[in-house]
Amino acid sequence: EADIYQTPRYLVIGTGKKITLECSQTMGHDKMYWYQQDPGMELHLIHYSYGVNSTEKGDLSSESTVSRIRTEHFPLTLESARPSHTSQYLCASSGSRAEQYFGPGTRLTVT
Amino acid sequence: KNQVEQSPQSLIILEGKNCTLQCNYTVSPFSNLRWYKQDTGRGPVSLTIMTFSENTKSNGRYTATLDADTKQSSLHITASQLSDSASYICVVSDRGSTLGRLYFGRGTQLTVWP
Repeated sequence: EADIYQTPRYLVIGTGKKITLECSQTMGHDKMYWYQQDPGMELHLIHYSYGVNSTEKGDLSSESTVSRIRTEHFPLTLESARPSHTSQYLCASSGSRAEQYFGPGTRLTVT
Repeated sequence: KNQVEQSPQSLIILEGKNCTLQCNYTVSPFSNLRWYKQDTGRGPVSLTIMTFSENTKSNGRYTATLDADTKQSSLHITASQLSDSASYICVVSDRGSTLGRLYFGRGTQLTVWP
């Protein structure tokens, strides 16, 4: 089982609040990813990182931002949450084999 | 446009029965194809990964096949169990970048009834 963790698992928050979704992995993987997934829909890549101080936007435009100050940590921040941000957010990491290991996800609901 | 299409969208079977899920893709160039199992409210977990030269791979009761010529893959589940109830996602990777761009299908929602 992969050692990748996400907190919180569930979050209900009001419009306009700032939130940070945490993701950490203990596998020493250089590459990390954030995906957004709506019910019954495919995963969409919103951010990725090749390593420390490297971050890139993914295919799906997102108002969120990410940072990669430490190899094991890849938090995602929403400065002002809106109902349209309601979704499941999945973090993943990969090493030299390119196999991606996913965290359990954070289900975000913005009221 | 690179796409991954899965069928059926949903499937209900009785415990102990076999089933086959389909995946068609148009991703090019092609690097590998993966099948993931995603339980409700959880992250996807890898079942199999196949490269261009592999046409079948097994993981316990799960057997994946790949026809790179027709760009089709299938996931066969043998002697289904209640715990097999989940979404099964087909993912295709291209080799167009060092990132190994992944293209996700929408998944097949499998329900196993007792």
